[in-house]
Amino acid sequence: DGGITQSPKYLFRKEGQNVTLSCEQNLNHDAMYWYRQDPGQGLRLIYYSQIVNDFQKGDIAEGYSVSREKKESFPLTVTSAQKNPTAFYLCASSIDRPGDTQYFGPGTRLTVL
Amino acid sequence: QKEVEQNSGPLSVPEGAIASLNCTYSDRGSQSFFWYRQYSGKSPELIMSIYSNGDKEDGRFTAQLNKASQYVSLLIRDSQPSDSATYLCAVNLFYSGGGADGLTFGKGTHLIIQP
Repeated sequence: DGGITQSPKYLFRKEGQNVTLSCEQNLNHDAMYWYRQDPGQGLRLIYYSQIVNDFQKGDIAEGYSVSREKKESFPLTVTSAQKNPTAFYLCASSIDRPGDTQYFGPGTRLTVL
Repeated sequence: QKEVEQNSGPLSVPEGAIASLNCTYSDRGSQSFFWYRQYSGKSPELIMSIYSNGDKEDGRFTAQLNKASQYVSLLIRDSQPSDSATYLCAVNLFYSGGGADGLTFGKGTHLIIQP
């Protein structure tokens, strides 16, 4: 089955820790995205990547970092510089351009203790 | 300023009736429009995409696009309790000023179908 997987489903972080969220897709999509969703809010773009070894900041990139070493993988690191990281994190992919249809993974819910 | 606006609701509709969800967007140059459904605690799933003015039908769902008035709507016929969810409108806003590209999402409309 083709799709997008995210792990872990739930993640707890202590203050001052960096954590990495995994996103893998086997859809052969070139573009991948990370969004953050807070309660009652829409999705806000953190980072996106259109090709391997290249990525662009989204609207709320501060305190986050990404890498794109493989087409299938786009991990997101939430650093200690992100002051309010508790949120639902969603990974998505599209065939190539950002304006294409985006398909979402199941999400990771991050809670700071 | 990139904006996609939706009424947050809740919108309450009796079972079997037509649910009408609306979305307005800020940029006249936008080309791609999407409706996603999101159940509580789950990720968004694509319902429909629309690119041209007019109506597009898929089963009980109809998307309507009016680029001149800058709005896109979603109609759900014969509403079922399982349609109760938050519906997100997403637009590929034409953004010529640099910065982030991609889809801009509205905050969503919470739809409740009453049995």
